[in-house]
Amino acid sequence: EAEVAQSPRYKITEKSQAVAFWCDPISGHATLYWYRQILGQGPELLVQFQDESVVDDSQLPKDRFSAERLKGVDSTLKIQPAELGDSAMYLCASSPGSWGQGRGHIQYFGAGTRLSVL
Amino acid sequence: KQEVTQIPAALSVPEGENLVLNCSFTDSAIYNLQWFRQDPGKGLTSLLLIQSSQREQTSGRLNASLDKSSGRSTLYIAASQPGDSATYLCAVDNQGGKLIFGQGTELSVKP
Repeated sequence: EAEVAQSPRYKITEKSQAVAFWCDPISGHATLYWYRQILGQGPELLVQFQDESVVDDSQLPKDRFSAERLKGVDSTLKIQPAELGDSAMYLCASSPGSWGQGRGHIQYFGAGTRLSVL
Repeated sequence: KQEVTQIPAALSVPEGENLVLNCSFTDSAIYNLQWFRQDPGKGLTSLLLIQSSQREQTSGRLNASLDKSSGRSTLYIAASQPGDSATYLCAVDNQGGKLIFGQGTELSVKP
């Protein structure tokens, strides 16, 4: 069964360092999402891609976070510099539907990257 | 601004009991509502998706209902098992893919 792949599973870094997370969605899925989940809370969307284009990055802290999906397949989320408050689980999800169709599609999630900033 | 609330935050039941998890949302203009399961330290697994035009969806021992007008959804789990222990999250999509999540209900089913 196809899965969303994420790496690394765990990342420990010091404050002010740069970190990067990678996501490979299910083959053929046009839409890719990055979510951040703080312990004890539900995930919050950081950025949504439709193919290689950003559809929604309104909640992405753009002074330190960046995301790209250059060829419309895999994606990288970067934080530079990392802050203590960035400690969280970073989840990637993909779905087969195109944004704006007005009908929902199941989002398939990866196992996540657990980030700890010391 | 859409807000999603789940009650209770935690629930402990004996094995075999039927149970209901609740989810409420403030903006009824949704495309769909989804229920997810999350095991500790893991990603999310989609359980059920209810489109805005539907009233309920069923999968095995799970049944989810949707009442858009009142801004409510319930997830019914029949004959609970210890393997059902996990956090259950509901999420609404009212913006073409952007999911707004509740904080989850942590379920513990005791043998």
